[in-house]
Amino acid sequence: DAGVTQSPTHLIKTRGQQVTLRCSPISGHKSVSWYQQVLGQGPQFIFQYYEKEERGRGNFPDRFSARQFPNYSSELNVNALLLGDSALYLCASSLPAILNTIYFGEGSWLTVV
Amino acid sequence: AQKITQTQPGMFVQEKEAVTLDCTYDTSDQSYGLFWYKQPSSGEMIFLIYQGSYDEQNATEGRYSLNFQKARKSANLVISASQLGDSAMYFCAMRESSGYSTLTFGKGTMLLVSP
Repeated sequence: DAGVTQSPTHLIKTRGQQVTLRCSPISGHKSVSWYQQVLGQGPQFIFQYYEKEERGRGNFPDRFSARQFPNYSSELNVNALLLGDSALYLCASSLPAILNTIYFGEGSWLTVV
Repeated sequence: AQKITQTQPGMFVQEKEAVTLDCTYDTSDQSYGLFWYKQPSSGEMIFLIYQGSYDEQNATEGRYSLNFQKARKSANLVISASQLGDSAMYFCAMRESSGYSTLTFGKGTMLLVSP
């Protein structure tokens, strides 16, 4: 079975641009979460979606938005990119009813120049 | 206050030896879960082991075991018989009952295994 897949794996953007990152969860997983990991730090929670509804939001500005599609895949959008948005963006999928199932994808490395 | 504290920025261990990575946590929830992940330089967050707050026995997964001391709020990861491929960042994380499926991570510990 395929794990959590994310795309693109690497990308470079210019300050002020917009970026869209994509995530496909493990088959059968209906919950998707997004995390930002800045170099040298642990991941920070951005969003959580379950059954296409936002169920949680971390302390991130409104420039960050996300959505979940009927097939449970998800997109994370970041507008007006800043240099500080350079990070590894990780997507996790889970079965909320089964507490120990939180699996991550390989991440999308975003560099803002 | 930090919810997850990993006090060891880096650890060194020789191949075939055991190593303990420390993690303490802070929560007022009665129901919570503790996770350990391994992150190699490629960036992928690899799930290693899970301990539920109501689990009476320490979790084990192959060479990984979790030393869970609930009263002390610690959840240390023990890796037995270290291998060169174990060199990576290791993160402790907690899911609280109020947090649905979201995780709070520590800052991580870099483990280097030498021959």
